Amino acid sequence: EADIYQTPRYLVIGTGKKITLECSQTMGHDKMYWYQQDPGMELHLIHYSYGVNSTEKGDLSSESTVSRIRTEHFPLTLESARPSHTSQYLCASSEGQGASEAFFGQGTRLTVV
Amino acid sequence: KNQVEQSPQSLIILEGKNCTLQCNYTVSPFSNLRWYKQDTGRGPVSLTIMTFSENTKSNGRYTATLDADTKQSSLHITASQLSDSASYICVVSDRGSTLGRLYFGRGTQLTVWP
Repeated sequence: EADIYQTPRYLVIGTGKKITLECSQTMGHDKMYWYQQDPGMELHLIHYSYGVNSTEKGDLSSESTVSRIRTEHFPLTLESARPSHTSQYLCASSEGQGASEAFFGQGTRLTVV
Repeated sequence: KNQVEQSPQSLIILEGKNCTLQCNYTVSPFSNLRWYKQDTGRGPVSLTIMTFSENTKSNGRYTATLDADTKQSSLHITASQLSDSASYICVVSDRGSTLGRLYFGRGTQLTVWP
């Protein structure tokens, strides 16, 4: 069982609210990722980090922001939620490059009403 | 353009039967190929990971094959169980960047009926 955790699992929130999705891993991995996944669709990379104080935008444009102050923690923030942000958000981490295993959290299902 | 295509999109089989899922990719330069199982509403869980030099890898009732020349992979499930009902995702990693970017297929939705 992978040691990567996401909270909350489910979140229903009103338009305009600020939200933070939490992701923590206890494996000491340097690389962490945020993916967005709509039902029946592939995962799209929205943010990634090589390590502390490193954050980069992914392939899919997102209005969210991330921070990496500690190795184990990679929170994602939406300053003003909109219905178009409704989706599943998956956090992942890996030890390094090449054939390193990528471990995924359980995901956060976000619904903005 | 780096892409991963999976087929079929969905599949229904009876419990105890075998099935094979397909994955074609155009990712280059190739680093490795992974198969993940994703239960509804949950994060993907790794089944197998194969590098360029590996042709086949097994994990219990799951056997993955890789043909790096034709850029094709398959996942064979033997003696299916009800708990095998899930989405199976093919993921290909490139080695053209420090990140080792992951390219995801849309998955094959497998349903096992009793």
